[in-house]
Amino acid sequence: EPEVTQTPSHQVTQMGQEVILRCVPISNHLYFYWYRQILGQKVEFLVSFYNNEISEKSEIFDDRFSVERPDGSNFTLKIRSTKLEDSAMYFCASTDPGERLNEQYFGPGTRLTVT
Amino acid sequence: KNEVEQSPQNLTAQEGEFITINCSYSVGISALHWLQQHPGGGIVSLFMLSSGKKKHGRLIATINIQEKHSSLHITASHPRDSAVYICAVRWDQFYFGTGTSLTVIP
Repeated sequence: EPEVTQTPSHQVTQMGQEVILRCVPISNHLYFYWYRQILGQKVEFLVSFYNNEISEKSEIFDDRFSVERPDGSNFTLKIRSTKLEDSAMYFCASTDPGERLNEQYFGPGTRLTVT
Repeated sequence: KNEVEQSPQNLTAQEGEFITINCSYSVGISALHWLQQHPGGGIVSLFMLSSGKKKHGRLIATINIQEKHSSLHITASHPRDSAVYICAVRWDQFYFGTGTSLTVIP
């Protein structure tokens, strides 16, 4: 069964550094999402992406955050000037083509630790 | 902003019991999702609803659009159902509930 993959599983970085979290969505999916979950807290929406542009973003997704689909398979989340409060589990998800409301397939997550 | 409330926050059940988890939201929605988060952190989508009722195996999800309320039912609960169940709604973006932690005891 096809699945969403994410790398790395755990990323440790120093405050102020840039990180890139990578996701490979299911191959025929066209809608992509990033979420984060701070330890012990609820999942929060960051951004959705379709047709090579951002569809929706939350207030969390500020100027330090960016997303890109560089090569037609990978979907990346870049965080510049990382802060301690960026430490969280970051989940990527994708959905079937043609219908934005379809069920989402989640990746296993990348745990980001900012020290 | 769409406020999503789940109840109960924690639930312990004996194996075989019928379980209900509730979700209410404050504004309209285009879709409501029920998700399962395993103890290791992985998230699985269980249902996406925009109206009515869906059933998958022992899981049933219902939604009442007028009352802004959805329920997730688990029939004949089993220890492997132990997880956090999360309600998420799509409005202008996605809004998540805090989750219901379910423990099913053998």
